[in-house]
Amino acid sequence: AQTVTQSQPEMSVQEAETVTLSCTYDTSESDYYLFWYKQPPSRQMILVIRQEAYKQQNATENRFSVNFQKAAKSFSLKISDSQLGDAAMYFCAYRSGGEDKLIFGTGTRLQVFP
Amino acid sequence: GAGVSQSPSNKVTEKGKDVELRCDPISGHTALYWYRQSLGQGLEFLIYFQGNSAPDKSGLPSDRFSAERTGGSVSTLTIQRTQQEDSAVYLCASSYLSGNTIYFGEGSWLTVV
Repeated sequence: AQTVTQSQPEMSVQEAETVTLSCTYDTSESDYYLFWYKQPPSRQMILVIRQEAYKQQNATENRFSVNFQKAAKSFSLKISDSQLGDAAMYFCAYRSGGEDKLIFGTGTRLQVFP
Repeated sequence: GAGVSQSPSNKVTEKGKDVELRCDPISGHTALYWYRQSLGQGLEFLIYFQGNSAPDKSGLPSDRFSAERTGGSVSTLTIQRTQQEDSAVYLCASSYLSGNTIYFGEGSWLTVV
């Protein structure tokens, strides 16, 4: 069975600095997708970034980028120029290419200090 | 609607009572998911509906939990004889067909006392 591990329960960063959130996963499949979701206090999960396993190029969305290391099964999220609004829970998620449900990690709470 | 809508936003119920949680997916979305988020935990998959196919119920924790989706749109998650360990946020999500981006609602926070 696939698993997703986030080993950092909490992280903090100063405004305008860069922070990296870690995620590792375990799978024997070759076709899959990886996601980072943000959950602010409003509880709504918001998609931050998505990576297809077949793509070698790391996904980037404005200040958010990933470091996808397929052989190491690692999928970290880098947030550049951190803003106060980035404070939230961040969840890493995996989806098999043959299934539709997402498998989530336990999350990392990010605090941003002014 | 513009997004996935869930009701109630918050529900406090007595142990042993039944509760119903409602999810209204984004219009046109064929796939609908229910997840449970317990305090300090990640999201636990409960059930998945896709069009007219039989739902994937593999994540339902016990037979006290059930869900239905009427007319391929609105879904109701029912928890019978609630227990304190059922206290959690129940998140609904939808997507247009399978494999596309999944959009979440704001969840229903259930507290069983």
